[in-house]
Formats: sequence, C-alpha cells, structure tokens
Amino acid sequence: DTGVSQNPRHKITKRGQNVTFRCDPISEHNRLYWYRQTLGQGPEFLTYFQNEAQLEKSRLLSDRFSAERPKGSFSTLEIQRTEQGDSAMYLCASSLGGRLLAGGLNEQFFGPGTRLTVL
Amino acid sequence: GIQVEQSPPDLILQEGANSTLRCNFSDSVNNLQWFHQNPWGQLINLFYIPSGTKQNGRLSATTVATERYSLLYISSSQTTDSGVYFCAVEAPNQAGTALIFGKGTTLSVSS
Repeated sequence: DTGVSQNPRHKITKRGQNVTFRCDPISEHNRLYWYRQTLGQGPEFLTYFQNEAQLEKSRLLSDRFSAERPKGSFSTLEIQRTEQGDSAMYLCASSLGGRLLAGGLNEQFFGPGTRLTVL
Repeated sequence: GIQVEQSPPDLILQEGANSTLRCNFSDSVNNLQWFHQNPWGQLINLFYIPSGTKQNGRLSATTVATERYSLLYISSSQTTDSGVYFCAVEAPNQAGTALIFGKGTTLSVSS
C-alpha cells in the first residue's frame, strides 16, 4: 500500500496560464475526492468521483476548473486561466466506500498535496 | 449545512504535558475523523471515530454522537506532536460524502 500520491508537489505559474494536477489513489479505492486548502483554514471540498463517474461538484468549483477520472483510477484536476485567488494547496483523498460496506465505513486518506502559487 | 467548531484554536504546551482538543458539530454524522497536519501539509489519519472511544499509543479519542462532540486526548506530549489537528465530519444526506472540516487547533510543543 503506497498511499495516495500527487504530482507535482509544487507548481508556480503566471496568472492566465493553465495548470493540471494528477492524483493516484490507493489502488483498491473506488472513491476519489479533491479538496482545496488556503492558509489558516481547513480543507474545503471541491469534487468527488465514484469509479469514473463525477457525482458531485461544490459551488467552489468554478467553470475554470475541470476534473476527470477516465478509467476509474488516477484523476486530473485542471485549472484554466489561473487567477491569484487560485493559490492554495490542492489535496486529493481516496476511500473505499459503498452501500455494501457494513456501517458505511468511508475513511478518507489524503495525499501530500500540490501547492499552487499563481504570480 | 453542518457546522464544525474546534477549540481551542491555539494551544502551547511544554513537553510532557497532557492536552484535550474538542470538536463540536451541529448535526448527526455518519463519519468523524481526526487528522494531524504536519509542517509539510500532509494530513495524517489519527482516528476514524463516528462514536465510541479508541486509543492509539499516547493518543485517544472519544465521540459522543448523541451530544454532538468529539474529544482528542494527547498524553505526554512530544515536540513531534506540534502541528494542526483537524476534526472532519461526513453528514447524512450530504452531497458527495465529502468531509466538512473545522478550522483546526494549532498545537505547539516546546522542549
């Protein structure tokens, strides 16, 4: 079990550029989440996949943001036309969830994050 | 939506001291997790504890679901315990089974 991995770990970009982040979840996990964390705050939910289906998007996810999980394994989060307000830590988490599990166990495990700085 | 409040916001301890961190939530929950965020930003799972009591070494946690609070106990604190501790909950009927985080408790342990 290698845990959740994210790449790159750091990204510095200029305003207006597009950026893409990758998340590789724990291999048997069917659920994948993206969160964003700004300084002094807890992480905030952005979007969630069950297998390859994107089932929910937060209001925080503007139309400049798009996420995919094409084969139900890794996921990418793209931000188009970046703005300075997009500067944050982007965290990915995965879990093994579903109605078949007794007690609804859905413990989420987080990756190390991608820190984005928009200049 | 559900509100999660953590207290105290900041805590300064001498090495060896004990501490209690509190998490209050405003509605019933399916899931409650405690995390430690290290200085590099990694969230480390401490407990998955929607109810009851669990212990792991010097750490223990108790969730009283009927009274909507959870407590994290740290005994004999060490400098490596420093960082931010987050409580996060997953509420029934909440979109996407997302975790809702509190603002965290920042713990500083000095030698």
